[in-house]
Amino acid sequence: GNSVTQMEGPVTLSEEAFLTINCTYTATGYPSLFWYVQYPGEGLQLLLKATKADDKGSNKGFEATYRKETTSFHLEKGSVQVSDSAVYFCALRGNRDDKIIFGKGTRLHILP
Amino acid sequence: EAGVTQSPTHLIKTRGQQATLRCSPISGHTSVYWYQQALGLGLQFLLWYDEGEERNRGNFPPRFSGRQFPNYSSELNVNALELEDSALYLCASSLEGLAGRSSYNEQFFGPGTRLTVL
Repeated sequence: GNSVTQMEGPVTLSEEAFLTINCTYTATGYPSLFWYVQYPGEGLQLLLKATKADDKGSNKGFEATYRKETTSFHLEKGSVQVSDSAVYFCALRGNRDDKIIFGKGTRLHILP
Repeated sequence: EAGVTQSPTHLIKTRGQQATLRCSPISGHTSVYWYQQALGLGLQFLLWYDEGEERNRGNFPPRFSGRQFPNYSSELNVNALELEDSALYLCASSLEGLAGRSSYNEQFFGPGTRLTVL
């Protein structure tokens, strides 16, 4: 079945550091890929998405590129801020599916 | 426009009791999804309702059930509560329907109900 694997956390970085959170997936066909963010005490928010190979999703300085050859969708940001501290979930949705399959989440701490 | 709302915010029950969680989707959305976020297990899909019908369910026992009302709001019921049912339960809604399966409809999440089973 479909699955998502993302790097274990927590990840602790200093402000303005470069961020990469790795995500790989297993799926048949051509799934849509997502990154969701959960800020402390809040629900999930869609951060960015990509629906086909080589698409780049971007939002709030975060980027991720749909790499079918490596089945990856790594999240990157060039310069993180304290306000980026949150839990980040990589996720996929099969093209014949309705539910979203989530990774286990990566907690990110940004130190001032 | 109001987002997805869930009630209650927190719910404390004892083992063996029943819990009822409620979700109101964004106006105009016909699909409601339920997810469980248990500590250490990440987010897992529970149930999907569309147009009043259960369309899909995840790998959860039958004591997890629910329904969708004519106004598209939804209830999640958990019977015979066990300690491991303690989790954050998230509801999401989307513009979805069987006719819309060819294109992606974003799921918008509510703030969740935190269920604690003692």
